[in-house]
Amino acid sequence: QKEVEQDPGPLSVPEGAIVSLNCTYSNSAFQYFMWYRQYSRKGPELLMYTYSSGNKEDGRFTAQVDKSSKYISLFIRDSQPSDSATYLCAFNTGGFKTIFGAGTRLFVKA
Amino acid sequence: NAGVTQTPKFQVLKTGQSMTLQCAQDMNHEYMSWYRQDPGMGLRLIHYSVGAGITDQGEVPNGYNVSRSTTEDFPLRLLSAAPSQTSVYFCASSPGGASSGANVLTFGAGSRLTVL
Repeated sequence: QKEVEQDPGPLSVPEGAIVSLNCTYSNSAFQYFMWYRQYSRKGPELLMYTYSSGNKEDGRFTAQVDKSSKYISLFIRDSQPSDSATYLCAFNTGGFKTIFGAGTRLFVKA
Repeated sequence: NAGVTQTPKFQVLKTGQSMTLQCAQDMNHEYMSWYRQDPGMGLRLIHYSVGAGITDQGEVPNGYNVSRSTTEDFPLRLLSAAPSQTSVYFCASSPGGASSGANVLTFGAGSRLTVL
């Protein structure tokens, strides 16, 4: 079993749709749960992170962590064409090794 | 403030050749790392450093060498390039320190390497 599973997509939605991106993981020692966004031919950049369980909201973006199910989600409300990118989930135990998912490619059509 | 700078952006090598990918950061970050990104595989950690003079292996270190003589620079050396090393390489840094926390990474723009 892979340590992190993420559906690569692609996921195509119309502008204004609510987008749900998900990852599952197997390592119960993970404490930090992150989402990075990567535009084509660019390096990833941190979108948001959550420590332990719960929800975190930042503008149109909401991150959810369910440690009991080992499942994390990123919701994008009122999606825009500028949200078209690859979204990578990432996990960390509090040390220096960050484990990434394979990334989900998202296309938002105008 | 340039952040993390990688050179070269593109490189084509023949099997058996050696080369060095350069990475420099100007944020006084203690932690630096190299990842490779392949389709369907995500980002995989090659080597990392928690400070000058200190390096350690990540998930896929074979065929690569690193050194950290200064806080700013963390070059990645391919000793004898193989087609399996065709990939996009990313250098990343974070403040690090005694408490790494989430270890939020700042990435460079990437170096695309093709080995024929």
